[in-house]
Amino acid sequence: AQSVSQHNHHVILSEAASLELGCNYSYGGTVNLFWYVQYPGQHLQLLLKYFSGDPLVKGIKGFEAEFIKSKFSFNLRKPSVQWSDTAEYFCAVITSGTYKYIFGTGTRLKVLA
Amino acid sequence: DGGITQSPKYLFRKEGQNVTLSCEQNLNHDAMYWYRQDPGQGLRLIYYSQIVNDFQKGDIAEGYSVSREKKESFPLTVTSAQKNPTAFYLCASSISRTDTQYFGPGTRLTVL
Repeated sequence: AQSVSQHNHHVILSEAASLELGCNYSYGGTVNLFWYVQYPGQHLQLLLKYFSGDPLVKGIKGFEAEFIKSKFSFNLRKPSVQWSDTAEYFCAVITSGTYKYIFGTGTRLKVLA
Repeated sequence: DGGITQSPKYLFRKEGQNVTLSCEQNLNHDAMYWYRQDPGQGLRLIYYSQIVNDFQKGDIAEGYSVSREKKESFPLTVTSAQKNPTAFYLCASSISRTDTQYFGPGTRLTVL
């Protein structure tokens, strides 16, 4: 079955530290890839997405993600986190086979001021 | 303001009662979705609809039902057959099945 894995369930960082959240999926065909973020008390919202083209995509608030097809990965990065980045982050994949959204289990990030 | 509204924000029901969660969107999106969010399990798809009068089961449809009589509305009924209904329910919509989903604020259902 197709799946999305987010290996880090909880991450705690100090402000200005660098962030990398892992996301791996299991599907060999064409995929659309997304990172969503849920800030405390707010709606789940899109952070960035990849459909095709440059595998390094930039999103809001200084986030970026790199699609590495050979590794089935779409890791999220930010060079210097802020306290306001405290949130839960979800990776999601749509495959060309089923056209169903598959979400990862999420990573809770806490940034210490 | 364009967006997705879900009501109510908190809902309490007694065991054995059916309950309907509301989801309305004014984004003119064709596709709508219902997810269940439980701690440590991410979002799991309950039902989705690509167009009015059509809907498909997701991964955990048992004990739930939906209707899509209008483009703007996609209500979810949690029936008494759902064995563990206490959860946070999220509604979403998108222009197409493969594009960005826009989420509502969610409804937290507690079955007593």
